[in-house]
Amino acid sequence: KAGVTQTPRYLIKTRGQQVTLSCSPISGHRSVSWYQQTPGQGLQFLFEYFSETQRNKGNFPGRFSGRQFSNSRSEMNVSTLELGDSALYLCASSLTPEVTEAFFGQGTRLTVV
Amino acid sequence: GENVEQHPSTLSVQEGDSAVIKCTYSDSASNYFPWYKQELGKRPQLIIDIRSNVGEKKDQRIAVTLNKTAKHFSLHITETQPEDSAVYFCAASLPSGGSNYKLTFGKGTLLTVNP
Repeated sequence: KAGVTQTPRYLIKTRGQQVTLSCSPISGHRSVSWYQQTPGQGLQFLFEYFSETQRNKGNFPGRFSGRQFSNSRSEMNVSTLELGDSALYLCASSLTPEVTEAFFGQGTRLTVV
Repeated sequence: GENVEQHPSTLSVQEGDSAVIKCTYSDSASNYFPWYKQELGKRPQLIIDIRSNVGEKKDQRIAVTLNKTAKHFSLHITETQPEDSAVYFCAASLPSGGSNYKLTFGKGTLLTVNP
């Protein structure tokens, strides 16, 4: 069974641009969560999707958004990029939100210059 | 808001020694406590977890203990090996309205096992 797949692995963007990251969960998993990982702040929760609905949202500005498709694949979008958005973006999948064992993808390393 | 505190931030041990990492959480309604290991440049991997109806769980050299009264849980690694060197994250599943649980992570512990 394939694991959680994130694309692309690396991105370099300039300030003011927007970016879309993709996450394909483990087959059969319907819940996808997104996290931002930085050296100073650790893993910070962005949002969670289940059945194409955002069920939880962390404390991030509205520039961060996401969605989930009917096949459970999820995308997150960051608009008007800032230097501070440089981070590793990780997604995690679980069977359902209530089955909380979460498995991470390898992440997308975003660098904003 | 909810909070998970993790200590220490760095830990250095000699090969063969034990390592203990501790976390505290703020919400007594939390009911699921996983631990993740993240090696350099790799994804966090779930290594062990415990639910609030259990006080201790072991898996070979790794064990986790939970004290619900004190709202803290700990990771114990015995007979450490150099390949145990990594960043370890604790997390707590905290309620976020109804049954919508989410994981809140500690800031991580960099464990170095010296040969």
